[in-house]
Amino acid sequence: DAGVIQSPRHEVTEMGQEVTLRCKPISGHDYLFWYRQTMMRGLELLIYFNNNVPIDDSGMPEDRFSAKMPNASFSTLKIQPSEPRDSAVYFCASSFGPDRGLFFGSGTQLSVL
Amino acid sequence: SQKIEQNSEALNIQEGKTATLTCNYTNYSPAYLQWYRQDPGRGPVFLLLIRENEKEKRKERLKVTFDTTLKQSLFHITASQPADSATYLCALDHQAGTALIFGKGTTLSVSS
Repeated sequence: DAGVIQSPRHEVTEMGQEVTLRCKPISGHDYLFWYRQTMMRGLELLIYFNNNVPIDDSGMPEDRFSAKMPNASFSTLKIQPSEPRDSAVYFCASSFGPDRGLFFGSGTQLSVL
Repeated sequence: SQKIEQNSEALNIQEGKTATLTCNYTNYSPAYLQWYRQDPGRGPVFLLLIRENEKEKRKERLKVTFDTTLKQSLFHITASQPADSATYLCALDHQAGTALIFGKGTTLSVSS
């Protein structure tokens, strides 16, 4: 398996634009997690899914953020409209369960100007 | 308030020595604790998991302890090598069986 695949690897956009981050989890994993990493706050959990159903979205900062998982092999994280404070590395991870170890993608480096 | 604290932001040791990293938590009752390694520009990589009823876990040169009374986990790398230089993150379940919450990490530098 190729591991967790995220795209794009880098995204530079202007404030107010819509940003869509994509993730393909490892086949067979039924948990998918979205995290955001900054120097100040470290890795923060945004949302996670189990069998394509959102379980906990309490980490989503505000209504500008939304996440979907239409099927077992694809998830998106959307920011609309984007703001400079959204600049961070966004990671997707998948797992057989949170007690089984998480497998992370390479992340998307987002810069909002 | 709930906190996960890793002992220091940076740790510098000489090759061949044992590196010991600390993870303390407050106001959590984790069922398990995990350790990850992160290299610059890459996602974290899972290393070890230890459950609340386990005192110690080993994997090759790595050893993890978990003391639920002290609310602390220690992560040891024996016979450290320059290739062990990375940031190490501890993580625990926010509530039993739920998603992981991560500490900010300790950056280990091993010099030859």
